[in-house]
Amino acid sequence: DTAVSQTPKYLVTQMGNDKSIKCEQNLGHDTMYWYKQDSKKFLKIMFSYNNKELIINETVPNRFSPKSPDKAHLNLHINSLELGDSAVYFCASSQDGLATLSIQYFGAGTRLSVL
Amino acid sequence: AQSVAQPEDQVNVAEGNPLTVKCTYSVSGNPYLFWYVQYPNRGLQFLLKYITGDNLVKGSYGFEAEFNKSQTSFHLKKPSALVSDSALYFCAVREIGANNLFFGTGTRLTVIP
Repeated sequence: DTAVSQTPKYLVTQMGNDKSIKCEQNLGHDTMYWYKQDSKKFLKIMFSYNNKELIINETVPNRFSPKSPDKAHLNLHINSLELGDSAVYFCASSQDGLATLSIQYFGAGTRLSVL
Repeated sequence: AQSVAQPEDQVNVAEGNPLTVKCTYSVSGNPYLFWYVQYPNRGLQFLLKYITGDNLVKGSYGFEAEFNKSQTSFHLKKPSALVSDSALYFCAVREIGANNLFFGTGTRLTVIP
């Protein structure tokens, strides 16, 4: 079974559209994350939720809105997509928050291409 | 503010030779340091971490890393490289009390048969 699964794997869309990426973990972890990896492979954290509560919210446009219906799911909704949003988005989870230095488990990524 | 630098974008090594992937960091206090590996079209996988204790940390797939406080480095090493080690390697750092895990820009390792 896949520990951290993201859907879709690929997402191609037009500028201005609204899209969502879903993430689910079956590890029983308390904390989930969204990262953005740009074309130069630079990886930057966007959001983190612990038990459905937002604990990290980096400088991200408010067009990006995470939603955590339960601690096993963290979805990412993006409004009014722009060309610069094209990237690979990774979901991750860990047993506890970063405060306990636990290992993060990553999904396979969602490659978003905005045309 | 915390930061991490991986000075080499690309490292090439012959199969069977030792490999080193470099990482230096900058934090206000004591660092927590991590190495992750990313295979093509895959998410990152944890390799090893340094929290405290022995400066030499052993991890998955025969990799190890040495924490050097005076040089603020945490280089990843393996005594004998395999072709299957070819991947993108990320060093990451976190300050005590901080929430963020800050990743380096990655080093692409190519092991030549």
